[in-house]
Amino acid sequence: AQKITQTQPGMFVQEKEAVTLDCTYDTSDQSYGLFWYKQPSSGEMIFLIYQGSYDEQNATEGRYSLNFQKARKSANLVISASQLGDSAMYFCATSKEGNEKLTFGTGTRLTIIP
Amino acid sequence: DTAVSQTPKYLVTQMGNDKSIKCEQNLGHDTMYWYKQDSKKFLKIMFSYNNKELIINETVPNRFSPKSPDKAHLNLHINSLELGDSAVYFCASSQDLVEISSYEQYFGPGTRLTVT
Repeated sequence: AQKITQTQPGMFVQEKEAVTLDCTYDTSDQSYGLFWYKQPSSGEMIFLIYQGSYDEQNATEGRYSLNFQKARKSANLVISASQLGDSAMYFCATSKEGNEKLTFGTGTRLTIIP
Repeated sequence: DTAVSQTPKYLVTQMGNDKSIKCEQNLGHDTMYWYKQDSKKFLKIMFSYNNKELIINETVPNRFSPKSPDKAHLNLHINSLELGDSAVYFCASSQDLVEISSYEQYFGPGTRLTVT
C-alpha cells in the first residue's frame, strides 16, 4: 500500500519569499510517480508538477520545483517568489506504475501574507 | 472549453433520496475516476473506469454505482443517501494506463453534496 504524509497542516509565508511544502511517501513499488496539486478556495484541483521515480533530475514547472530525494522518500514542493494567488491547499499524491489511482496526503494550507 | 465538467455543482437533498452526478470529459482520455473529499479535505479515490470498464472499486458501499455509457462520461448514482455521504465529489480523467508519465489527472470542478 502507498501512503503520503504531509506534516504541515498550515503555513504562513510572506509574499515574495520562497516556500517549501513537505511531503514524504511510503511505497514498496519500484516505479511510481509523485504529484502535487493545488486546491484554491474555489475548490477546483489544479495539477502543478510531476516527478517520476526514475527521473534523475528534479522536476520544474515555472515557479514550482520538486525537491526529490529518493533515498529519504521525500518529494517536497518548492514555490519560488510566492504570490498572494498561491494561497491555497496543496496536496501531494502518488501512484504506482500499472495502477492509475492517486493516493493523496492530507494537504497543507498555505497562506501568503502581503 | 471545459476539459472535465460535472453537474450539478451543488446538490442538497434529504436522507433516503437517490441522486446522480454527471461527469463528462472532452480530452479524449481513456480513464475516468471519482474521488470523494470529506469535510477534513481528505481526498480518496472511489472508482476508476478505463474504456467503460470498471478498474478500481475502493470498498465503496453498494449504494454508490458508477455508470459509464461511453469513455467520455462517467456518472455517479447514489441510492438511499445518508448524512455521511455529504462531501465534495470530484470527477477526473487521465490519458493512459501504460506509462506512468501519462497519469496526470485532470479534475472537474467538484460537486458539493449536502445530505440533510
